[in-house]
Amino acid sequence: QVQLVESGGGVVQPGRSLRLSCAASGFTFSSYAMHWVRQAPGKGLEWVAVISYDGSNKYYADSVKGRFTISRDNSKNTLYLQMNSLKIEDTAVYYCGRNVTDWGQGTLVTVSS
Amino acid sequence: EIMVTQSPDSLAVSLGERATINCKSSQTVLYSSNNKSCLAWYQMKPGQPPKVLIYWASTRHSGVPDRFSGSESGTDFTLTISSLQAEDVAVYYCQQYYNTPQTFGQGTKVEIK
Repeated sequence: QVQLVESGGGVVQPGRSLRLSCAASGFTFSSYAMHWVRQAPGKGLEWVAVISYDGSNKYYADSVKGRFTISRDNSKNTLYLQMNSLKIEDTAVYYCGRNVTDWGQGTLVTVSS
Repeated sequence: EIMVTQSPDSLAVSLGERATINCKSSQTVLYSSNNKSCLAWYQMKPGQPPKVLIYWASTRHSGVPDRFSGSESGTDFTLTISSLQAEDVAVYYCQQYYNTPQTFGQGTKVEIK
């Protein structure tokens, strides 16, 4: 069955960087576009970024454009989210997803001084 | 950017009664290739990832109880829970995945009256 496991979350100071990973299994990873979405504490869901199946196309929410970079390594079945210049408002649980049907359990990122 | 407006913000329904949540997109999300709307409904409970209930506006995801149904009329979409159960207490979100940025409604909190 499809399994997506996020890692890399933690507590980080404003302005610092963090890289999230999402290990995929149970499907042909290299055939699917992949997404990141997030949910800040007490807030709704926010779409963050998407990458095409081969990594050639990437799109971002305006709130993270220029600071976050989505990437993938199809040889390792892994999706990444490089987060730079982190802001307090980036504090959230980050989920990776395939299509609309499959989502990981999430990893918590806390940006705090 | 396609705006997705969800209503109501919250509702309280008696056990066994019907719950109805609405979602309106600011423009069409109809995918011409299959003549289906790119609209999904999710259920979120605390500490859990998004759980898709409905996609393509009216296709129930595998394993989702048939008391959950989705319908559409143009750019208006509805999630109906035909007979509310205690385990349905959650926050529900609609999402358009027609184009990027993908956008979510603000969420509807469903409680027991």
